[in-house]
Amino acid sequence: SQQGEEDPQALSIQEGENATMNCSYKTSINNLQWYRQNSGRGLVHLILIRSNEREKHSGRLRVTLDTSKKSSSLLITASRAADTASYFCATYDSNYQLIWGAGTKLIIKP
Amino acid sequence: KAGVTQTPRYLIKTRGQQVTLSCSPISGHRSVSWYQQTPGQGLQFLFEYFSETQRNKGNFPGRFSGRQFSNSRSEMNVSTLELGDSALYLCASSLEAASGNTIYFGEGSWLTVV
Repeated sequence: SQQGEEDPQALSIQEGENATMNCSYKTSINNLQWYRQNSGRGLVHLILIRSNEREKHSGRLRVTLDTSKKSSSLLITASRAADTASYFCATYDSNYQLIWGAGTKLIIKP
Repeated sequence: KAGVTQTPRYLIKTRGQQVTLSCSPISGHRSVSWYQQTPGQGLQFLFEYFSETQRNKGNFPGRFSGRQFSNSRSEMNVSTLELGDSALYLCASSLEAASGNTIYFGEGSWLTVV
C-alpha cells in the first residue's frame, strides 16, 4: 500500500525555473523523507523533516510539512538539467515500514 | 567511505529458478533493508534486518526471504521465480534501526525473469 502520494505525477519545466512537488500521506508520522532517483538507479536521500518541523532547507531545496493537512512539499529553486529525476516522499507507517509515494517525474528542459 | 554495494547489478533468470542477491552496507551500519521497485507497484518494503535479526517484514509471500550476517552484509533470496518478480531490488543501510534514521541506498539489482 502507498502511504505517500505525490503530485503532479510528471512535471516539465525550463532550466532556471522553480519546481514544486507535493506529497500527501494518510497516517500520523514521526518524520517524512524525500528522495531522488535518477533513471534506473538507486535512491539518493535529499532531506528528512521531523513532525515538529514546519520547514527545512538544504541548498536549493526547501521542504515544508503541514501535519494538519498531512501534506509536504518539495521546492527546487533555480532548476538545473541535472535535477531531472524522479522524486519520492516516504514515511514510516505504524509497523515501522517505510511506505513510498508513486513519485513525481521531473524533467528540466535546457 | 564506500557506499552500499549490491551485486549482481543485472541478472536474467528463468521462471521457477531461485535467485540470491547480495548487499554490503556502509561500514559501521547495522541495519539493512530491502525494497522492490516495479513500474506497476512502485517501491515496496520487503524486510529489514538489524544485528542479524529480521526486524520487520513487508507484505510479500514466503518465497522472498533474507538474512544478515555478523558483518552486517545481507542477502535476499527469491525462490520459484515468477514473471512478476521482475523488478529493481534495492538495498539500503542505516547506522541504527531504519525508522527515524536516514537510509542510504545501493544502485540496485535489476532482475529479469523470463
